[in-house]
Amino acid sequence: DAKTTQPPSMDCAEGRAANLPCNHSTISGNEYVYWYRQIHSQGPQYIIHGLKNNETNEMASLIITEDRKSSTLILPHATLRDTAVYYCIVRVGTNAGKSTFGDGTTLTVKP
Amino acid sequence: DAGVIQSPRHEVTEMGQEVTLRCKPISGHDYLFWYRQTMMRGLELLIYFNNNVPIDDSGMPEDRFSAKMPNASFSTLKIQPSEPRDSAVYFCASSYGHPHYGYTFGSGTRLTVV
Repeated sequence: DAKTTQPPSMDCAEGRAANLPCNHSTISGNEYVYWYRQIHSQGPQYIIHGLKNNETNEMASLIITEDRKSSTLILPHATLRDTAVYYCIVRVGTNAGKSTFGDGTTLTVKP
Repeated sequence: DAGVIQSPRHEVTEMGQEVTLRCKPISGHDYLFWYRQTMMRGLELLIYFNNNVPIDDSGMPEDRFSAKMPNASFSTLKIQPSEPRDSAVYFCASSYGHPHYGYTFGSGTRLTVV
């Protein structure tokens, strides 16, 4: 699976959009980009995933660059409860395979 | 759906004792994963199963660790004998094989070996 690079930490003001970047320059054509978050010591929670196109669900939006070498997770209106570690991973699409979690980005939403 | 259920939530044991962690995946999911999380090493994949068959156990640290999945609704991770460096939070996750599904993680088992 391709390696991902994320900034170690970011801050965001409550109510503002949080934009979390991820670099995956070695991604292969059959690899999907997935985002998870982990709040405090809970189990990681799936947020969203995509292959080529931008995606949106009730939690977030995912913007993937045309060359697929990077992506951005957008939380449109961050709340204090969005404070968490956010992980960007890539996964081969042919099966569940195995996903390698990096260090992620610690997002702190401040009032 | 109750989600992925792990037991126990917390386990404190003495060095040298056998420890068994349990996981019930979401019904219908055909993949099951065991992860370990520590401050130093982050989230590490230990082993994963597909249709109850172990596919990749390259992350299992050593022979003291073993995992089984006797049926689609139950898996165990056993450590024998346990050592203080095994102290960590162990997560179980399950998923459908199709890429349009993410993993669902359990709440984890916090293991402390003293």
